[in-house]
Amino acid sequence: GQNIDQPTEMTATEGAIVQINCTYQTSGFNGLFWYQQHAGEAPTFLSYNVLDGLEEKGRFSSFLSRSKGYSYLLLKELQMKDSASYLCAVREYGNNRLAFGKGNQVVVIP
Amino acid sequence: DADVTQTPRNRITKTGKRIMLECSQTKGHDRMYWYRQDPGLGLRLIYYSFDVKDINKGEISDGYSVSRQAQAKFSLSLESAIPNQTALYFCATGLANEQFFGPGTRLTVL
Repeated sequence: GQNIDQPTEMTATEGAIVQINCTYQTSGFNGLFWYQQHAGEAPTFLSYNVLDGLEEKGRFSSFLSRSKGYSYLLLKELQMKDSASYLCAVREYGNNRLAFGKGNQVVVIP
Repeated sequence: DADVTQTPRNRITKTGKRIMLECSQTKGHDRMYWYRQDPGLGLRLIYYSFDVKDINKGEISDGYSVSRQAQAKFSLSLESAIPNQTALYFCATGLANEQFFGPGTRLTVL
């Protein structure tokens, strides 16, 4: 099984940079996903990492270290619309299921 | 048109009633999933299906059943609803490296 840990909430200022961390324990790692979810809406896919290193996609970047069981999502040039919950999910070998963390609520203030 | 649709979007029912939540997708994916989301607990997998003849239990399948009527349709049933099944329910379809979520069904069991 998996154990996924994320901090619960953070506040940041518009235009700033925020880093959201995720640590995990799994018996057979096969990929880490980040999703964004606005209140009452469906999660939407942001990024996927399976190898160590940084994946950059516009204002969003995601980093993975498999040896440390650690990932972070970096949000740059924060906008008010980035206020949302950010979900980390880990896939395990053999079953292609995702196990989600509880999410990190980011609040962007002017 | 939305790629993943769920009906109904909102439902209030009473303890002991049978409820069916329906999910349809036009993405042509073989993989479909049902999750529930509760405040503070994140997304938890109820059932998943990798093709029409394949049904698998997730981490919280007790009290639920599913039917995969066709590649495009995956229904979730609560045979006898109870109040702790009050939650937001999401259907998702998937590729190997991404899942696409429906808009959610908010279910309240009184």
